[in-house]
Amino acid sequence: QKEVEQNSGPLSVPEGAIASLNCTYSDRGSQSFFWYRQYSGKSPELIMSIYSNGDKEDGRFTAQLNKASQYVSLLIRDSQPSDSATYLCAVRLTGFQKLVFGTGTRLLVSP
Amino acid sequence: GAGVSQTPSNKVTEKGKYVELRCDPISGHTALYWYRQSLGQGPEFLIYFQGTGAADDSGLPNDRFFAVRPEGSVSTLKIQRTERGDSAVYLCASSLLTSGSRNEQFFGPGTRLTVL
Repeated sequence: QKEVEQNSGPLSVPEGAIASLNCTYSDRGSQSFFWYRQYSGKSPELIMSIYSNGDKEDGRFTAQLNKASQYVSLLIRDSQPSDSATYLCAVRLTGFQKLVFGTGTRLLVSP
Repeated sequence: GAGVSQTPSNKVTEKGKYVELRCDPISGHTALYWYRQSLGQGPEFLIYFQGTGAADDSGLPNDRFFAVRPEGSVSTLKIQRTERGDSAVYLCASSLLTSGSRNEQFFGPGTRLTVL
């Protein structure tokens, strides 16, 4: 089992819809969770971090964490074509500072 | 303010050569990380520095890879006897790692290494 798993996609949504991106992780003791956006040919950009169970909202983005289910998700409301990118889920494992990344989910938002 | 910078942005070398990749972290960030990313994959951890010392080098694939951070700021990743399998984008990240901080890591633009 991989430490961090994501569906590679692509996830296709129409402009204005809600995009829902999911991630599961295997280390039950993990405390820190991050979502990065990566445009083609660019480096990852941190867009959300979450540390407690529940929801965290920032503009059009909402991160959701369920530690019991070892599941973290990212919702993007009112999706725009400019949101088309690969979204990487990253987890900081217990006792470490390094991040473990999933393979990313490619999101395509069509006009 | 200035983000993480990396040089060169692209490096093409021949198999067996030695290369150095440089990273300049965000000013004031005490922690520095090297990752590498292959096509279609997420970044893969290589090494982490807290100050001048390598606190975790568990991700270095073999002894051809070495990294230093002599003054606790700029870091250099060194690869000896490069192999074609070393071709990847090498990413550097930094974070403000203090007691109670959440260790948000910010990435530089990366160095694309191609070994012919």
